[in-house]
Amino acid sequence: DAKTTQPTSMDCAEGRAANLPCNHSTISGNEYVYWYRQIHSQGPQYIIHGLKNNETNEMASLIITEDRKSSTLILPHATLRDTAVYYCIVSLRNNDMRFGAGTRLTVKP
Amino acid sequence: NAGVTQTPKFQVLKTGQSMTLQCAQDMNHEYMSWYRQDPGMGLRLIHYSVGAGITDQGEVPNGYNVSRSTTEDFPLRLLSAAPSQTSVYFCASSYHRVPGDYGYTFGSGTRLTVV
Repeated sequence: DAKTTQPTSMDCAEGRAANLPCNHSTISGNEYVYWYRQIHSQGPQYIIHGLKNNETNEMASLIITEDRKSSTLILPHATLRDTAVYYCIVSLRNNDMRFGAGTRLTVKP
Repeated sequence: NAGVTQTPKFQVLKTGQSMTLQCAQDMNHEYMSWYRQDPGMGLRLIHYSVGAGITDQGEVPNGYNVSRSTTEDFPLRLLSAAPSQTSVYFCASSYHRVPGDYGYTFGSGTRLTVV
C-alpha cells in the first residue's frame, strides 16, 4: 500500500477553513484515500474517503488531484472542537489501514 | 447505544500476568480489528477478523492472541504481559473488508500499563 506524507502540525483560526494536505505520490489505481481524526485520547473517528472524485459530507470535503498523487481535506468552518490529529491513509482494504503520525491541527480562537 | 464497546477502560498488570481485553459491537459488522497506540505515535494493527471463525495477523501480532467465535465479540488476549505492551488499545469494526461508506467505528480504548 502507498505511504502518505502529512505536515506534522498546523494552526487554523476559528471560523476559517482548515485545509489539510496529504501527499501520496505512489498511490495505485485501486487505492482509496481515507481521512480519520483523533480528538485528544479518544478512538479515531472516520471523516471521509474517496477514490478519484471530490467528495463532500456533513463533516468535510475531500479534494483529490487529477493525478491522485495528493489530496486536501477541507473543514469549511473550523471550530475549537475540530482540534485533533488528522490521519490521511491510502488503502485497498480495511485490513491494511496504516495510521501514521498524522497532522496535529490546532484551532485557535 | 450502537457502537463498539471496550472493557476495561484502564488496567494495570504485572509483568508475566495474562489478561483479556474485551471488544463487542452491536452493528452486525463483519470486520473487526485491534490496534495499539504508543505515546505520540499512530496506530498499529495487531490482529483482525473478516468474520466469525476467521482471524489473521496484522503488523505487530507477537504476544497477542485473538479469536472470533461470534460476530459481535473479538477479544484480545495478552499471554504474558511485558512492559513493552504498555499502550492504548483500540478495537474497530466495519461492515466489510473492502472500503465501505462509513469506514471504521472505533471503541474508546483500553489504557494498559504493565509494571
